[in-house]
Amino acid sequence: GNSVTQMEGPVTLSEEAFLTINCTYTATGYPSLFWYVQYPGEGLQLLLKATKADDKGSNKGFEATYRKETTSFHLEKGSVQVSDSAVYFCALSGWQISGGSNYKLTFGKGTLLTVNP
Amino acid sequence: DGGITQSPKYLFRKEGQNVTLSCEQNLNHDAMYWYRQDPGQGLRLIYYSQIVNDFQKGDIAEGYSVSREKKESFPLTVTSAQKNPTAFYLCASSRGERTYEQYFGPGTRLTVT
Repeated sequence: GNSVTQMEGPVTLSEEAFLTINCTYTATGYPSLFWYVQYPGEGLQLLLKATKADDKGSNKGFEATYRKETTSFHLEKGSVQVSDSAVYFCALSGWQISGGSNYKLTFGKGTLLTVNP
Repeated sequence: DGGITQSPKYLFRKEGQNVTLSCEQNLNHDAMYWYRQDPGQGLRLIYYSQIVNDFQKGDIAEGYSVSREKKESFPLTVTSAQKNPTAFYLCASSRGERTYEQYFGPGTRLTVT
């Protein structure tokens, strides 16, 4: 079935450092890919998405490029802020081998990012 | 404002009791979902519903039940058969066909002792 593997945290950075959180996936067909962010005690917010190969999703200074050849969707930001401290989830949506719908999201386990001033 | 509401934010129950978590959306979305989140395990799908009066089991449906009598509402009941019910529960919705992104509510933290 579909699966998402993202780098284990926690990741601790100083303010203005460069951020990369790795995400690779296994899926049949052509999934859509997402990054979600979760602040403490809250639900998930969609950060960015890409729906086909070579698409770049971007939002709030974060970027990720859909690389089909490496089955990857790594999250990057050039200069992190303390307010970026959160848990980041990589996810994909696509057909399930078991015959499920194409609405289902498969999530990675999440990466905790802490940014220190 | 359009969005998803979950209530209550915190819920405490004694072991052996059933408890129902509320989820309401005013986004006019067709599909709704329930996830369970445990530390270090990401999100796991409990149930989902693509249309009113229809729902399917997700990956960890045992010990849970749902209903979808209205488009706006998708309550989740955690039954006494659920062996380890203490967790953070998240409800989500999406427009449906060919629209993949899901929008999440703020979550309900359930503690069973």
